[in-house]
This record gives sequence, structure tokens and C-alpha cells, in this order.
Amino acid sequence: GDSVTQMEGPVTLSEEAFLTINCTYTATGYPSLFWYVQYPGEGLQLLLKATKADDKGSNKGFEATYRKETTSFHLEKGSVQVSDSAVYFCALTYGGATNKLIFGTGTLLAVQP
Amino acid sequence: DAGITQSPRHKVTETGTPVTLRCHQTENHRYMYWYRQDPGHGLRLIHYSYGVKDTDKGEVSDGYSVSRSKTEDFLLTLESATSSQTSVYFCAISEPGLDVTGTDTQYFGPGTRLTVL
Repeated sequence: GDSVTQMEGPVTLSEEAFLTINCTYTATGYPSLFWYVQYPGEGLQLLLKATKADDKGSNKGFEATYRKETTSFHLEKGSVQVSDSAVYFCALTYGGATNKLIFGTGTLLAVQP
Repeated sequence: DAGITQSPRHKVTETGTPVTLRCHQTENHRYMYWYRQDPGHGLRLIHYSYGVKDTDKGEVSDGYSVSRSKTEDFLLTLESATSSQTSVYFCAISEPGLDVTGTDTQYFGPGTRLTVL
């Protein structure tokens, strides 16, 4: 079946460091891919998405490119801030009538000043 | 922020008791979802609804039931709570066709932390 695999956390970085959080997927078709972010004590917020191969999603300095050849959707940011500390979830969906999301296990990012 | 509220936000209950969690939206979105979040599992879909009185099961539906009598409310019921149902529960909503790509964003509520002793 379809699944999403994320790198284990926690990821601990110093402020202004470069961030990469790896995400790979297994899919029987051609899904859309998402990154959601969960700040402490809150629900999930959409960070960015890409709906087809080679699309790049971007928001708030974060980027991720839909790579069909490597079935990957890695999240990157050039310079992290303390306020980026959160749990990041990679997810896929085929959209359609039900639009069900399949999530990875989440990666905790801790940014230290 | 999408207008989604969940109640209660925190609940502690005992094994064997019934529990109902409520999700309320003010966005008039047709689709509503219930997920549970557990360490090492991410979020998993329990049930979803695609309209009033129209619901279906997700991947972890055993032990849960849902009801949707109004567009704005989606209730999740644990008929007889067990310790394995200790979790954080999230509601989400989406509306087909809002996104021209055909992939509709799901918007999440703040969550309910449930502890079953």
C-alpha cells in the first residue's frame, strides 16, 4: 500500500543553520505531496504542497521539490530560526472524492539560539 | 485560521466509559475527518464524512463511531473507552473544488488530548 517515510528525529540545529528533513514515499499512482507543521500545543498547518512531478512548493523560506525518480519530497530551509521549532509531517493524497491523507511519523525540529 | 473548534480540549476518563468528542466548523466545508496522533505513527484516519449523514471508515476505525447530523458538527464516540485509545485526536475539514489543482487542503483543529485510565 501507499506509505510515507520520514527521517527520525529529533533534529537539533543552531539558529541560521541549513535544514533538510528527508521524506520518501511509496505510491501506486501519482499522488500530491504535502508538508504540514505542528507547533507545540497546536493543530497541524499546511506548510507547502506540490501536485505533480518536478513541482516545487515553497512557503516561509521552506522549499520542497517533488522528485518522482527518487520518490522523494525533502524539506529544506536555508537559515532556520528558533521559531521554526516544531514537528514536521510529510503526507500524500490522491485527492479525489475523499481526499484522504497518508502521513509520515513526523520529525521534531529543535532550533537552539 | 480556519474556523474549527474541538471540545473538550482535554479529557481524562476511565476504561469502559463512553466518550464523545465534538468538532465544530464555521467554514461550511463538506468533508470532515477524525484522526488520532500517536508517537511513532504520525496521524491515522479514524473516520471521515462527505456530507450530512454520510460517513465512512478510515484505517483505524475499530472501537469508534461517528455521526454528522449537521454540516458544522462531526462527533466521534468511543462506545467503551480502552487504554489503547489514549491519544490526541484531531479533526480536519476540506471542501472539494476550492483548489484548481484538484487537491484540496485539509485544515486542522487544535486537537483533544484524551487519557483513558
